[in-house]
Amino acid sequence: NAGVTQTPKFRILKIGQSMTLQCTQDMNHNYMYWYRQDPGMGLKLIYYSVGAGITDKGEVPNGYNVSRSTTEDFPLRLELAAPSQTSVYFCASSFLGENSPLHFGNGTRLTVT
Amino acid sequence: TQLLEQSPQFLSIQEGENLTVYCNSSSVFSSLQWYRQEPGEGPVLLVTVVTGGEVKKLKRLTFQFGDARKDSSLHITAAQPGDTGLYLCAGAGYGQNFVFGPGTRLSVLP
Repeated sequence: NAGVTQTPKFRILKIGQSMTLQCTQDMNHNYMYWYRQDPGMGLKLIYYSVGAGITDKGEVPNGYNVSRSTTEDFPLRLELAAPSQTSVYFCASSFLGENSPLHFGNGTRLTVT
Repeated sequence: TQLLEQSPQFLSIQEGENLTVYCNSSSVFSSLQWYRQEPGEGPVLLVTVVTGGEVKKLKRLTFQFGDARKDSSLHITAAQPGDTGLYLCAGAGYGQNFVFGPGTRLSVLP
């Protein structure tokens, strides 16, 4: 059982480049989330989805876009990378929303220079 | 916006010592979770507490949810090097997504 899988593990981007962070889960969870983690700042919610075809903004959505065409996949798109987007990105899923455990992937470490 | 504070930010202790870390907010939460994160990995859920005053035990770890549902504590008895990691609390308001605290980084020295 793979759980939540994120690719790539590491990436270096130049300012202005674009990329997609991939996330897939095999637990048939309806809820999926993207967080970013900066040192000493905890996890900040970027976008979330309560099911296929439904997405919504979190606390820090600027500079990012998402889509949810299937239950399994929830890619995060960076269109014009900026140094402020240097961070570790985590995808998570849960069966229900409130009170349900979040299952996290192992993260993507992104550096924008 | 709900905010969670955690203290201490860093903690370094010797194997066998006891410790308590805290998670505080001015907001009321419907539930609160504790996660542990090791380097290079995602956070892993330790416990969920949902009732004010609730106490849950997980082997040497004891979790408490405050009566007013605004704070929580994690107590570790006889800490071991395997307890080393970043401890994150996360609270959810009614019908809202979880908000994470900044974490307590624990180092247990052998």
